Amino acid sequence: QSVLTQPPSASGTPGQRVTISCSGSSSTIGSNTVNWYQQLPGTAPKLLIYSNNQRPSGVPDRFSGSKSGTSASLAISGLQSEDEADYYCAAWDDSLNGYVFGTGTKVTVL
Amino acid sequence: EVQLVESGGGLVQPGGSLKLSCAASGFTFSGSTMHWVRQASGKGLKWVGRIKSKANSYSTAYDASVKGRFTISRDDSKNTAYLQMNSLRTEDTAVYYCTRGGDSDSWGQGTLVTVSS
Repeated sequence: QSVLTQPPSASGTPGQRVTISCSGSSSTIGSNTVNWYQQLPGTAPKLLIYSNNQRPSGVPDRFSGSKSGTSASLAISGLQSEDEADYYCAAWDDSLNGYVFGTGTKVTVL
Repeated sequence: EVQLVESGGGLVQPGGSLKLSCAASGFTFSGSTMHWVRQASGKGLKWVGRIKSKANSYSTAYDASVKGRFTISRDDSKNTAYLQMNSLRTEDTAVYYCTRGGDSDSWGQGTLVTVSS
């Protein structure tokens, strides 16, 4: 069982804005930065957002991250068909002394 | 260009052992923390463990589900990280990825481990 909780699914039409939540605790998100990963079908995951709201080089600015207290969010604005993928949040857990991933959210473009 | 290439996966019987390798290139391997992450078919990502650099005493940490059975090591002269897996269980069946750095900013393509009789 994961200690970071995400909604199992989210969807939107092309051009819409979609937001994915990630709920943690004081030992995870409350104490550490949050990363987000995108996993396209049949491929390895890719780092999408690091340190709560930083985008690696090459990631479109349509993707943005935020954090407040023990929760974090990933927003995708101007949704595109190629954004259809699984998205995972992740953070270090000071209690478990390990890195934990969220339960994952499947984004569907209608 | 950062490249991570995993190898060593395959079919093994319950209770058996397997050693995975992760060959790295395109960055200063010796200074990087390396992680192993796994993903069972149709399931989410699960962190397995990590090894820090020599400057951080090659410190390791493991998920509770593999602690005592799995060992992560590295050979900086070969730019390679390893995952030694002992006492394998059917629930260890997954694709195993190695990743780079505290944020796991680069991932390999993964190697499939199947534990079955």
